[in-house]
Amino acid sequence: QTVVTQEPSFSVSPGGTVTLTCGLRSGSVSTSNYPSWYQQTPGQAPRTLIYNTTTRSSGVPDRFSGSILGNKAALTITGAQADDESDYYCVMYMGSVLHWVFGGGTKLTVL
Amino acid sequence: QVQLVQSGAEVKKPGASVKVSCKASGYTFTNYYMHWVRQAPGQGLEWMGVINLSRGSTSYAQRLQGRVTVTRDTSTRTVYLELSSLRSEDTAVYYCSYSLGAPVWWGQGTLVTVSS
Repeated sequence: QTVVTQEPSFSVSPGGTVTLTCGLRSGSVSTSNYPSWYQQTPGQAPRTLIYNTTTRSSGVPDRFSGSILGNKAALTITGAQADDESDYYCVMYMGSVLHWVFGGGTKLTVL
Repeated sequence: QVQLVQSGAEVKKPGASVKVSCKASGYTFTNYYMHWVRQAPGQGLEWMGVINLSRGSTSYAQRLQGRVTVTRDTSTRTVYLELSSLRSEDTAVYYCSYSLGAPVWWGQGTLVTVSS
């Protein structure tokens, strides 16, 4: 019963552009869900990339951007680099019962 | 610069409780919220709960209700996560994360191992 959905895996060529999405099992994502995005490599704490839909966290390069695309939140990576190969997680605010829910994560391969 | 320093690794027996701390610096402590998030080995991130650092009010994930308690001590700028009735499935790295809404700044993580 996954509430927040992400692609399990994705691949991108070096220098390419990729858009990862974060959706809801039912309904559309809006800015009221405050979608946020995290990058994680094995053994490390998550690194915040984007919070509150579009705000880039301190020190994050501008080739990472967040948006709402259609009925989903989206993380776009332009000019993909080898060290972008990581797991990417989104989280969304789901209201006063579910509160915050993470997606299952997307494993991004750069090849 | 926000810094969050968590307590060290713990090994607990099933049925016991664990209390993990998260000491904050670099910002006005009572602004905003502190989340707790965990990650079991090889699994994704799981949101556990959040505390309003000013009011002390809390919200918890439904599946952990009754076992999880988050508190804060404003005098020492420390937030605590207590998890009771531990099971093997609670073996995970536990993270605190200071928030402007969603989690933004992260602690280094605390490994809690539940094993008989």
